[in-house]
Amino acid sequence: QLLLQESGPGLVKPSETLSLRCSVSDDSMTTSGYYWGWIRQPPGKGLEWLGNFYYSGRTYYNPSLKNRLTISVDSSKKEVSLELRSVTAADTSVYYCVRLSRDYSILSLTWGQGMLVTVSS
Amino acid sequence: QSILTQPPSVSGTPGQRVTISCSGGRSNIGDNAVNWYRQVPGTAPQLLISNNNQWPSGVPHRFSGSKSGTSASLAISDLQSEDEADYYCATWDDSLTGPVFGGGTKLTVL
Repeated sequence: QLLLQESGPGLVKPSETLSLRCSVSDDSMTTSGYYWGWIRQPPGKGLEWLGNFYYSGRTYYNPSLKNRLTISVDSSKKEVSLELRSVTAADTSVYYCVRLSRDYSILSLTWGQGMLVTVSS
Repeated sequence: QSILTQPPSVSGTPGQRVTISCSGGRSNIGDNAVNWYRQVPGTAPQLLISNNNQWPSGVPHRFSGSKSGTSASLAISDLQSEDEADYYCATWDDSLTGPVFGGGTKLTVL
C-alpha cells in the first residue's frame, strides 16, 4: 500500500519561499501513467490543485500559481518536492502530497495525511 | 472560485434522502468520470464514489452517484447522523492536465 508523507517547516514568513517534501513509500515513481503532485486546502475552505509532475518529466501547473510554483521529483530518493515563492497569508493551507492517475477517463488519487503550513511573521 | 460548482450546504433529518449537485464543463465532467469524496475536519478526503457511480470497498450503498452531460450528483439515502461531513466532487480536467474540485458541500443532519 502506497504511503505518502509530507514534511517541512510549519511556519513560513511572508515574502519567503515555502518548501515541502513528500516521501514515497513504494517504487511507483517511474511507473508509466502516474502523476505526482500537490493539492492544498486553506482552513475552512475547499480543495485546490496546485500542480503535477508526470513520470516522463513534464510538469503541469494551476495557471493561478504557475509563476510562483515549482514541483519536482527525485526518483532516486523517492521524493516529490514543492516550492512556492513569495508567499502571503493567503497561502496558509494544509498541503497534501498526492499520486494521481487517469485511466479511461477515471481519476485516481492517493493522498498523504496533509501538513499545515502557516504564513505569518 | 472552484471550477466545479456545488451548493455550499444541504441538510436533512435522519432517514431522509438528500442530493448534492456538481456542475462543470466539457473539458472536465463532460469528458471524464466523476468521483465523490467525504471529508471530516482534520483528515484527508476519503473516496466515496468512483467512476460516476461505483462503490469502493466498504462504502455503504446508501451513497449513490450519477452523471449526465456536464453535471453529476451524489444521493445519500437513509440519512444518518454520522453522515455529517463535507462532500466534494472531483474529476480530471483535460485542459489543465490535472484534477479539479467542487467547492465542497457541508451536510448537516438536523
